[in-house]
Amino acid sequence: GAGVSQSPRYKVTKRGQDVALRCDPISGHVSLYWYRQALGQGPEFLTYFNYEAQQDKSGLPNDRFSAERPEGSISTLTIQRTEQRDSAMYRCASSLRRTQETQYFGPGTRLLVL
Amino acid sequence: GENVEQHPSTLSVQEGDSAVIKCTYSDSASNYFPWYKQELGKRPQLIIDIRSNVGEKKDQRIAVTLNKTAKHFSLHITETQPEDSAVYFCAASPNTGNQFYFGTGTSLTVIP
Repeated sequence: GAGVSQSPRYKVTKRGQDVALRCDPISGHVSLYWYRQALGQGPEFLTYFNYEAQQDKSGLPNDRFSAERPEGSISTLTIQRTEQRDSAMYRCASSLRRTQETQYFGPGTRLLVL
Repeated sequence: GENVEQHPSTLSVQEGDSAVIKCTYSDSASNYFPWYKQELGKRPQLIIDIRSNVGEKKDQRIAVTLNKTAKHFSLHITETQPEDSAVYFCAASPNTGNQFYFGTGTSLTVIP
């Protein structure tokens, strides 16, 4: 079946602009995770949801970052007033249940802030 | 929060030799440890995982060991093949949630 999808795949924006990154998890997956991956580094946890409830947002770097999953399916990660240091690959993952198990990653959104 | 360290950052082995990647974690509440393989330009994919109630798990040429007391776990790849070349990430997940905390990655090159 279809895997995790993300859009856009690439986003170039100017400093100070807001961006919204979308994640479409595998159908029926309960949990959805957002990670940020800098070049040559491992994914860094940002936040995650079980159904529509945000469980942990301790990894969000500051209050310019927010995420939502209003209907328990698609999620949006929003970065307000972008800064150059926000440039990275943003990856979404999903898992079938609310347990520690395989997370399936999406292709990522490459964000470049000029 | 959890801090996962991974060594080495790069590893080159001859085809057929074994490769070992080591990770340590800081949070004794972590109880699930997956390993992901990421090929160039691709998304990370799970290759093996281990839970804290076992010390070792094998899947064909891949094995993972866990030492809870010392808070370290290792990935062992035997009879390496060129297609094993990739970046490998270890991760730890706390028993209070299901998010992963990843190590910094090991770039493995298998020389034919």
